[in-house]
Formats: sequence, structure tokens, C-alpha cells
Amino acid sequence: QKEVEQNSGPLSVPEGAIASLNCTYSDRGSQSFFWYRQYSGKSPELIMSIYSNGDKEDGRFTAQLNKASQYVSLLIRDSQPSDSATYLCAVSNAGNNRKLIWGLGTSLAVNP
Amino acid sequence: GEEVAQTPKHLVRGEGQKAKLYCAPIKGHSYVFWYQQVLKNEFKFLISFQNENVFDETGMPKERFSAKCLPNSPCSLEIQATKLEDSAVYFCASSKSLQGRVTDTQYFGPGTRLTVL
Repeated sequence: QKEVEQNSGPLSVPEGAIASLNCTYSDRGSQSFFWYRQYSGKSPELIMSIYSNGDKEDGRFTAQLNKASQYVSLLIRDSQPSDSATYLCAVSNAGNNRKLIWGLGTSLAVNP
Repeated sequence: GEEVAQTPKHLVRGEGQKAKLYCAPIKGHSYVFWYQQVLKNEFKFLISFQNENVFDETGMPKERFSAKCLPNSPCSLEIQATKLEDSAVYFCASSKSLQGRVTDTQYFGPGTRLTVL
């Protein structure tokens, strides 16, 4: 079992819809959770960070964390074609010297 | 600077040759991380530094890989005697600090694409 798991997709949604991306992790000591967006051939770009259970909203993006279920999700409201990219979930904790442990990413396609 | 800078953008080496990659972290950031991204998006942690000191090197293939962060110089990642499987994009990231239990955001450079022929 990988330490951080994501559905590879592709996840295809129509423009204007809500895209829901999920991530599970195996290390119960994980304390910091990140969603990065990566366009093909580019570097990862931070979308959201979340550290506490519950929801965190930033514009069209909402991250949800449930430590008991070891689950973190990202919702993208009013999806745009420019949101089409790979979304990477990354997890970290102080016990492993803060290195990011990555999922393999979910490919999102937003269709006009 | 305001962004993590990495050079070169692309590097092509024949198997067995040496490769050296450079990274300049964001000004004021104390921590530098190196990651390797191979096919299928798989990111692998290699090494991290706190200023010029190695912070965590648990991901480094020590036989052929080495890295340094010296004062007033870009950080470097060097691969001696490259192998075909070293072909990947190498990303450098920097973060301001590691405070308490929370991991500060890591900001990524544009990456160096290494192709070993």
C-alpha cells in the first residue's frame, strides 16, 4: 500500500461543475496536508494547505481534512477549462523531517 | 529572489557521465528540498538542507548522488556516472522555516529535466 493514495483519473467534469478530488494517507502522525496543481511540463503550484480537521475555503477551492478517516479532499467549484491539470496530494509530518510524501496525482479534465 | 531558480532547464548526458544541477532558493528561506519526478508523476524525496547543513538525506542514493548548499552560492545536486534510470525532472523547493508541528509551504522551482542516453 502506498503511503498516499489518489485515484489517477482522468476525472472529467463539464465547465461550471464541481470537481471532487480525494486523497487517503496511511501515516496517522501526518500533520500537514497540501494540494498542488501541476500543468504538463511545469512545476507543482500550491493550491491549498490544511492542518486542522474540517474545511478550509479559498476562492473556488475548498480543502477538507478528516484525520480520523485519514482522508483529505479538494473541491473545485465552478470548474474552468484552465483548471485542467494534475492535482497532487502531499503529506508531511515533523517525525519524518517535513519531507513531502506524494500521491501519484489525479488528472482533471474540465470540458467546455 | 522571489522565486526558486533552477539551472539548467534541460541537461542531456551519456550514460556514465556526470550531471550537476543548481538551485537558488527564495531569499530568506532557510530550507531547501530536492525531489525527483519520474514517469507517472511519481515524486521521490532526495535530500533537504537547513542553510548549509544536511537536514535529511534519507532519500539519496549515496553511491552516485551528492548535494551541497554552501554560503552565498546556489545549492547543487550532482550525479556521478549517470544511469538511464536517473532520467527524470529534478525539482528544488524552498521553505521559510519549519515551525513546531506544522510544515511550512514548500515553493518549487521550474525543475531541471535530465535525460540520460
